[in-house]
Amino acid sequence: DIQMTQSPSSLSASVGDRVTITCQASQDIANYLNWYQQKPGKAPKVLIYDVSNLETGVPSRFSGSGSGTDFTFTISSLQPEDIATYYCQQHDNLLFTFGPGTKVDLK
Amino acid sequence: EVQLVESGGGLVQPGRSLRLSCAASGFTFDDYAMHWVRQAPGKGLEWVSGITWNGGSIGYADSVKGRLTISRDNAKNSLYLQMNSLRPEDTALYYCVKDRERYGNYYFDQWGQGTLVTVSS
Repeated sequence: DIQMTQSPSSLSASVGDRVTITCQASQDIANYLNWYQQKPGKAPKVLIYDVSNLETGVPSRFSGSGSGTDFTFTISSLQPEDIATYYCQQHDNLLFTFGPGTKVDLK
Repeated sequence: EVQLVESGGGLVQPGRSLRLSCAASGFTFDDYAMHWVRQAPGKGLEWVSGITWNGGSIGYADSVKGRLTISRDNAKNSLYLQMNSLRPEDTALYYCVKDRERYGNYYFDQWGQGTLVTVSS
């Protein structure tokens, strides 16, 4: 099974800061990598699919990059409403794995 | 408006069974794969199981294989999860989730609000 790791597990940043989260797969997953945002008490929401494609309605300050086993998620200018936990997710023929999550809060 | 409404959660003793249901509306149910994703209290997300649009292919996480069974009834726009031999580690909020396409190999674009399953004696 493919395992996913994320770093850091948590971070504190100020409004306007650039925030970067990394995600690593235990084997090559090509571009089958998605990113989700989960705010406290809410269901998750997809932000980015297939590494770098922004879901409709998602602000352009969110972006993703990478390929193979190493991926990056970036918030170019952190906003108060971005306080949440972020998860990467890989998919491979009806098998999915989430990363452990990165909790982002305000400094 | 897409709606996914889960039901069937509750408190159950270890070793017992439970059946979760998800009523879908606002989209053509049999055009999309569906999934169950769970989240233990204070923990991260865990994909549990997925099923293609016609039930022709099914996948399970290793942690639930042989104990949990996913199914769907396209005539009733409903998704199910039969949970047998429940363990305390199955305690979680269970989300019903819609895939972006038919074969369950894309991303999750709609989530329900979840139904809580608590396994305890």
